[in-house]
Amino acid sequence: AQSVAQPEDQVNVAEGNPLTVKCTYSVSGNPYLFWYVQYPNRGLQFLLKYITGDNLVKGSYGFEAEFNKSQTSFHLKKPSALVSDSALYFCAVRDQNTGGFKTIFGAGTRLFVKA
Amino acid sequence: DAGVTQSPTHLIKTRGQQVTLRCSPKSGHDTVSWYQQALGQGPQFIFQYYEEEERQRGNFPDRFSGHQFPNYSSELNVNALLLGDSALYLCASSLRQGAGEQFFGPGTRLTVL
Repeated sequence: AQSVAQPEDQVNVAEGNPLTVKCTYSVSGNPYLFWYVQYPNRGLQFLLKYITGDNLVKGSYGFEAEFNKSQTSFHLKKPSALVSDSALYFCAVRDQNTGGFKTIFGAGTRLFVKA
Repeated sequence: DAGVTQSPTHLIKTRGQQVTLRCSPKSGHDTVSWYQQALGQGPQFIFQYYEEEERQRGNFPDRFSGHQFPNYSSELNVNALLLGDSALYLCASSLRQGAGEQFFGPGTRLTVL
């Protein structure tokens, strides 16, 4: 069965500092991995995805994520945080082998960036 | 180019009633998925529609049903509402082919009293 774990409910970082939001996953086959961001009272916005190839994936707004197959992790990173990055971040996984679009989301990590 | 739209924005119902939520996918997208997001939780997959048929389903009872129309728009129906059905219902559209990301609508906030 597919599952996603985001071990931190909240991450606090000062503006200008690097940030990391952690994610680990479990799928029976090869994963498609995604990060989405949600602002208050809004739907989810796509940030980046991993399908295959380079383990470092670059996405929107300066975010990037590193795929680590041996650790089954897909941590979200940004070299320099902005106050406007404060939001709720979701990691998600789909199993390539099962097909379809059944996507499993983590519980989310709230990011606070302090000025 | 309009993104994913959902209606209504908010809805208040009482236990036992039935509700219909609507979704129009992003232009060019042929697949619609529905998610339930309870307060403080991640979205939970309800089901996915492609070519007017339900293709995959999550762990939701038969009270949750849907439909996809020839123009790819979709409806989510929930019968015999329970208090626990109170949540944000998100519609996401995508292309069937490939591993593309999903584009989400703003959601419908359903409150069951």
